Formats: sequence, structure tokens, C-alpha cells
Amino acid sequence: QSALTQPASVSGSPGQSIAISCTGTSGDVGGYSYVSWYQQHPGKAPKLMIYEVSNRPSGVSDRFSGSKSGNTASLTISGLQAEDEADYYCCSYTSDTTWVFGGGTKLTVL
Amino acid sequence: EVQLVDSGGGLVEPGGSLRLSCAVSGVTFINAWMNWVRQAPGKGLEWVGRIKSTTDGGTTDYAAPVKGRFTISRDDSKNTVYLQMNSLITEDTAVYYCAHRRSTGSFDWGQGTLVTVSS
Repeated sequence: QSALTQPASVSGSPGQSIAISCTGTSGDVGGYSYVSWYQQHPGKAPKLMIYEVSNRPSGVSDRFSGSKSGNTASLTISGLQAEDEADYYCCSYTSDTTWVFGGGTKLTVL
Repeated sequence: EVQLVDSGGGLVEPGGSLRLSCAVSGVTFINAWMNWVRQAPGKGLEWVGRIKSTTDGGTTDYAAPVKGRFTISRDDSKNTVYLQMNSLITEDTAVYYCAHRRSTGSFDWGQGTLVTVSS
């Protein structure tokens, strides 16, 4: 199972919006609603930000939103803040009944 | 609230073995599907494998790079899941995370334990 494709890096200024894409196949992202997004700060465990494509867990800011079109899922962060600077990973269930992660995207807040 | 405590990491020589443990609380463990995910230094997250809940048969699946070398097991009496790693290679060096799969298909995470394979 190949890793899902994410851009290696994205950047934005405080207050701006950015989007991170996550491209897979019909055997993973395109075929299931089990797409989630995780935020990871250096030296820390991943933190769930979005589940089932577009749902936010309790306690996660509504500045974070998720969507999916075909084989590509997206995470959008609006009103960028300094504390959003982190690595972001998408994850999808697969037709092999396994899980696959994206390669990760480093978000820099300028 | 689900809590996962990973332990057992350390330094091991190539070809050696190591067993990681993950103590789980805050969930009905017998119904829990448990996963292991690893992260090599400076790299992304990689799914390692999964054990289904005992009520769903307790079967396992593994990622290709570890199949035949790693084994996931569980002890429901101790609310603990294990990752037995044999024939370790330098490429197995990583932080290993225990992860509980929620009904929503997302994960709760342990704090991670570092495994270093080096001579």
C-alpha cells in the first residue's frame, strides 16, 4: 500500500487560510469515509483534528475543516495562528482492511 | 477518556528482538481494535499492524515491511496489547505508537516509545 500523497510543505501568514491536499486512490480515500487528519508538533504524539472526512472532535477549533472530492481529501485551516505551525498527516482506511497515512505536510506560519 | 501508555523501547542490535507493550484504560478493551504505528526519525507516520477485538476474532494484519517479523498480540485480562519484533533491521528504528481505533475510524494515541536498532 503506497502512502497517500501530500505536499511536503505549505506556508501562510497569520490570519490567512491554507489548504493541504491528500491524494489517494479509489481503494482508499476515494472509496471510504474513514479519512482523518492529525496534527503533530515536534516530539509529540499526533493529535486528531478531523475524522470521517469533515467532522471535528470536541475541543478542536472550528478554524479547521475537512472535505473530500473523488480520490482527494483536503484540510483547510482558516485564520492561521502561530500555534498551527506543525506537521499534518492524513490517514485513510483501505480496501485491504488496513490503514495508510500521507507522507506529511509541514505547515509554516510566516 | 482513553489512555494508552507505551513501553518497552530501547537499543537493540540488528538481528535482535524486542517486545513493546501498551497498557490501555478508559475503553472496554475486549471490544477494542488496537494498532501500532511507527515514525522513523524525521519521517512520516507508517501503519505497522492491527489486532482486531477479541469479540471480532482477534485476527491480525501487518504492513508489508514487517510481515513475518513482527507479531501483535493481546492480553484482555491485563488490558494490554503487545508488539513482538524479531529480526530487527536498522530501518526499524523509529518511535512506535500504540493506537486505539475509534468507531469513527480515527485513532487515539499513546505517547510513543523509541526503538533504536544499531550495532
